[in-house]
Amino acid sequence: DVVMTQSPLSLPVTLGQPASISCRSSQSLVYGDGNTYLNWFLQRPGQSPRRLIYKVSNRDSGVPERFSGSGSGTDFTLKITRVEAEDVGIYYCMQGTHWPYSFGQGTKLEIK
Amino acid sequence: EVQLVESGGGLVQPGGSLRLSCAASGFDFNTYTMHWVRQAPGRGLEYVSAISYNGDSTHYGNSVKGRFTISRDNSKNTLYLQMGRLRTEDTALYYCARADVWGRGTTVTVSS
Repeated sequence: DVVMTQSPLSLPVTLGQPASISCRSSQSLVYGDGNTYLNWFLQRPGQSPRRLIYKVSNRDSGVPERFSGSGSGTDFTLKITRVEAEDVGIYYCMQGTHWPYSFGQGTKLEIK
Repeated sequence: EVQLVESGGGLVQPGGSLRLSCAASGFDFNTYTMHWVRQAPGRGLEYVSAISYNGDSTHYGNSVKGRFTISRDNSKNTLYLQMGRLRTEDTALYYCARADVWGRGTTVTVSS
């Protein structure tokens, strides 16, 4: 099975400052169709997860432009250009290339 | 509005069974792969199962394979998860998801 490893697991950030989360997979996430099915989710406290990014770098509808995804193969990154208070929560990467799909452990972003 | 509403959770003894349902609305249910994801108390997200748009293909996480069965009724816009031989470690909030849209979850507690 594919293991997803996130770092850091805890991310204290000052409002207005950038933030970056790394996600590494134990196997390449390039699918046979040429796409890389790597998603990013945010779970705010007390809420269901919300998908932010799909196929590495595509923002979902309504996701602010300060969120961006990048990477390839086994190495991926989620970046927030300027953290806002509403960005607090746990961020998960998830691979949708190999069955069974799998999530990273989660990165808890908090405001310093 | 796209909506997913889970039901069927509850308290069940170890070794027992339970069937979860997920009522979908606001989109063409019969064109989407659907998923179940769970979250144990205080823990991260764990992928449970998925079913193709027409029900022909199903996938399971290793921890539930052979005990859980996913199915769907496209005429009723409903997704199901039949859970059997339940264990205490199956205790979790179970989410129904379309990948980009998630329900609010239904709680399953396995305890004697």
